[in-house]
Formats: sequence, structure tokens, C-alpha cells
Amino acid sequence: DTAVSQTPKYLVTQMGNDKSIKCEQNLGHDTMYWYKQDSKKFLKIMFSYNNKELIINETVPNRFSPKSPDKAHLNLHINSLELGDSAVYFCASSQTGRTYNEQFFGPGTRLTVL
Amino acid sequence: QQQVKQSPQSLIVQKGGISIINCAYENTAFDYFPWYQQFPGKGPALLIAIRPDVSEKKEGRFTISFNKSAKQFSLHIMDSQPGDSATYFCAASKGSARQLTFGSGTQLTVLP
Repeated sequence: DTAVSQTPKYLVTQMGNDKSIKCEQNLGHDTMYWYKQDSKKFLKIMFSYNNKELIINETVPNRFSPKSPDKAHLNLHINSLELGDSAVYFCASSQTGRTYNEQFFGPGTRLTVL
Repeated sequence: QQQVKQSPQSLIVQKGGISIINCAYENTAFDYFPWYQQFPGKGPALLIAIRPDVSEKKEGRFTISFNKSAKQFSLHIMDSQPGDSATYFCAASKGSARQLTFGSGTQLTVLP
């Protein structure tokens, strides 16, 4: 069974469009994250939600808006897409209170902005 | 400001050899140091992790060595196999939010 799933896996769109990426985890975790991996494979956190509340919001353009309808879902909506938004976006989840904060990553969504 | 520096950027090792990847951190508040392994087209997956109260942790062929005074830690892969070919990321976190700060990654290639 898939632990952290993302849809779509690939997303190709034109500059200026608005798009969403969905994430779901079936691990019962209380914290979810969005990461951006650029073309050089550098991974950087964008947002983190704990029990549906935003707890980390790194310096990300306000064109990016995360939404967590419940603990198992964290969606990412991007407005007015730009060329520099092209990257692989990973969703992850973890459970607070554990000795090691193992984060489980989804398979990623490759976003290409033309 | 890169809080976790990783080297080398790429590494080529013969099958059966030892792969060594190094990381250095700046923030002494970090208290959890995991290594993640990422295969092409997949998300990163936790490989092994250590806390700063121990100097070494071993799991199978994978060992983390940790030097708190030098603020450095490294991953050693013994008897490297072609199946180990992947990108490896060191990371560090602190605080209740457990935000992970990743190194820049090392592309490991193990030749058959």
C-alpha cells in the first residue's frame, strides 16, 4: 500500500496558469510537509502543517498556498506559474513525539512550466 | 546560508569498495542527523539516523560516524554494491517542528 501519494506525477503547464498538487498519507501521521527539489537536486522545505495548522512557512512566494483539509491531506496550490517554479515537489509526513522524526516522502510531482 | 554542507558532489566507487560521504553543520542546536537515499524518479527515503549523544551508529553495511566537537558527520557504506547507486542526502533538524535542513546531495555510482 502507498504510504504517501501525490497526484499528478507529472504536470506540464504554461506560464501564468494556476495549478494544484494533491498529497495524501495513510500512515496516521499528524505532520505533513512540502519540499521543492530543484534541477541540482537541492531539497528545500516550503511548508509544514501539524494537525492542519501551519507551523513552518519558509520564504516562499505568496503565489504558493498550502491547504490542509484534514490531517491526511496537504494540497499545494500555485498561482501565476513562472518558469522558475519548474522543479520536483515532494510531499512528506511524520509523526511528532517519536524519538526519530522519520519523514516519509511521496514519489514527487515533476512540474514543468513552459 | 547553507547550514549543512555536504561533500563530495559525486562519487564513483568500485563494487566492494567503501563509499564515504561527509557533512558539516554550523548550528549547534541541531540534535538529529539523518541520511536519506534517493533513487531516480523516487522520493527520498530514510537510510539511517543518529543523535549527537553517540559517536557511531551501524546498520548493516551503513555506518554514521559523528564528531560533535568538529560539527561533522559522515556516512560510510561498506562493501558498496551497484544497487547502492543513488543520491544521498545528509540532513539535520532541531526543535519541536523537526524541520529538516538538507545537504546538497552526493550522487554515488558503484561500478560493477
